[in-house]
Amino acid sequence: SQKIEQNSEALNIQEGKTATLTCNYTNYSPAYLQWYRQDPGRGPVFLLLIRENEKEKRKERLKVTFDTTLKQSLFHITASQPADSATYLCAPMNSGYSTLTFGKGTMLLVSP
Amino acid sequence: EAQVTQNPRYLITVTGKKLTVTCSQNMNHEYMSWYRQDPGLGLRQIYYSMNVEVTDKGDVPEGYKVSRKEKRNFPLILESPSPNQTSLYFCASSRHNTEAFFGQGTRLTVV
Repeated sequence: SQKIEQNSEALNIQEGKTATLTCNYTNYSPAYLQWYRQDPGRGPVFLLLIRENEKEKRKERLKVTFDTTLKQSLFHITASQPADSATYLCAPMNSGYSTLTFGKGTMLLVSP
Repeated sequence: EAQVTQNPRYLITVTGKKLTVTCSQNMNHEYMSWYRQDPGLGLRQIYYSMNVEVTDKGDVPEGYKVSRKEKRNFPLILESPSPNQTSLYFCASSRHNTEAFFGQGTRLTVV
């Protein structure tokens, strides 16, 4: 069966450091992979989409990599700030499918 | 403003009393979905729709119904709610293989 694995333990880092979150998937051949941010009690908010033929994508302080051989995506936040504290969700998407299935997410806590 | 609107935001109901949670989007998106979110289980898809009159089951469809009579609306119906349907519910919409927009959530308690 298809599985999406994100580290269930919260990631605690200090302000200014780079946070790196991992998304591993099995039994997927994703054409795309999306990352979302979710704050407690609120709906997820889209951050980045990366395609299978893109190794890396950047948006301001955010960077996503996509390794289809390792079946893994890494999500980086550089110069992290307390306001970056949230849960981050990944969602690999097979080609032709438009329904999103999410990993359980990793909580990031950035302390001042 | 582009948005997905769910109503109500909060609902407490009794077991067996039929209820409907509405979802509306103003972006002319083809795809709409319903998710429930429970502690430790993450977001799980209940139903999705790829267009008007086209709906399909997600991972946890038991106890729920949906309809897509119009492109903008995708109501979630609980014919006979039970306490195990107490959860936080989200509606989402998107175009094909693009970012999804989520509603603000509906916190449902069934007693």
